[in-house]
Amino acid sequence: SAVISQKPSRDICQRGTSLTIQCQVDSQVTMMFWYRQQPGQSLTLIATANQGSEATYESGFVIDKFPISRPNLTFSTLTVSNMSPEDSSIYLCSVDFGQGIYEQYFGPGTRLTVT
Amino acid sequence: AQSVTQLDSQVPVFEEAPVELRCNYSSSVSVYLFWYVQYPNQGLQLLLKYLSGSTLVKGINGFEAEFNKSQTSFHLRKPSVHISDTAEYFCAVSGWGATNKLIFGTGTLLAVQP
Repeated sequence: SAVISQKPSRDICQRGTSLTIQCQVDSQVTMMFWYRQQPGQSLTLIATANQGSEATYESGFVIDKFPISRPNLTFSTLTVSNMSPEDSSIYLCSVDFGQGIYEQYFGPGTRLTVT
Repeated sequence: AQSVTQLDSQVPVFEEAPVELRCNYSSSVSVYLFWYVQYPNQGLQLLLKYLSGSTLVKGINGFEAEFNKSQTSFHLRKPSVHISDTAEYFCAVSGWGATNKLIFGTGTLLAVQP
């Protein structure tokens, strides 16, 4: 298993600004992911954070809006840029150790409200 | 591509009663299947997973699920629920060859009443 922390846990931001969310894992992991959970809805994968290379984005998500960094095997950041009220969501990071285990462990989430 | 359907957005049930949360999936390739639980204001926790082998999978907190390939279903069951089981339950699928990429259903709120 893994202990995953996210900062901040919640924030209220004004439209047009940007917020960077941090995800820290207590051990090295193969894969890290970022999800969005809009109010009352399910989780949608934003991107896979690749260590040492550019993130892989899912359809409907672009790097200019959601730049991602992964400088090492235990840490990643997601930035929500030029925010609008539609970006109000819970943002969760998850990790997968690979090696055929197929289990993703999720962080507690960052609750973002854009006014 | 894969998709997941959870037909019930909310399931009310009395404490100590049995419960079944339904999940159907669609995929053109073989799949791995998962159930996650999300307690209020918390992240997701893995309840159980099906990768291969026995179609009846047992998970944490007394939950189990049965993989039915012919009906493309993976329903979650518990013989006797507790108040503490009140939470949102998500079914998820990932396809062989696209492993680690989870597609989630819309979730089912299990509301256990005393």
